[in-house]
Amino acid sequence: DVKVTQSSRYLVKRTGEKVFLECVQDMDHENMFWYRQDPGLGLRLIYFSYDVKMKEKGDIPEGYSVSREKKERFSLILESASTNQTSMYLCASSLGHAETQYFGPGTRLLVL
Amino acid sequence: RKEVEQDPGPFNVPEGATVAFNCTYSNSASQSFFWYRQDCRKEPKLLMSVYSSGNEDGRFTAQLNRASQYISLLIRDSKLSDSATYLCVVPRPHNNNDMRFGAGTRLTVKP
Repeated sequence: DVKVTQSSRYLVKRTGEKVFLECVQDMDHENMFWYRQDPGLGLRLIYFSYDVKMKEKGDIPEGYSVSREKKERFSLILESASTNQTSMYLCASSLGHAETQYFGPGTRLLVL
Repeated sequence: RKEVEQDPGPFNVPEGATVAFNCTYSNSASQSFFWYRQDCRKEPKLLMSVYSSGNEDGRFTAQLNRASQYISLLIRDSKLSDSATYLCVVPRPHNNNDMRFGAGTRLTVKP
């Protein structure tokens, strides 16, 4: 069974803080993704990575960066958190192109 | 036009009813499609893949209409446990790693 874990289920941060969200998958998947989910907007892709040290911007990369130093781990970094980054953050992984994406349980981030 | 569009609902149906949702997509070159299910405060999970004209899995049937650019999900004999949000997902044709998610259709099945 594929398992995708995220470092925190709930997080409260202050405006301007640097925030790290970590995601780990245990199935040797090539691809990893970070989304945010907001009511009425669905899931929006922030960044994805198709290999170690490789990354591509999604639809809304502004204010975010990512790091993939190891195949199983994909980190999302909010350089300076802002209130409009309050959201549910979901990490996912997949084996290959257009393959099923397996999601982690999500991190609810509140920026005050 | 949004890349992937769904009726947000909510659809409120009694147990045993048949219910259908549609999802329209804008890029005619899209080849494969997915339906995911998301329970309240949980992560999305794959329900069905749709690669050709359609797919059936028990009470669930997904159909693809390429001419009109929509996919549908039909649920027969609804159960209380079918209550969830159903997300339509369409990979971008030139970058299959980039999945476009619809905002979801919310279904509530009532006793």
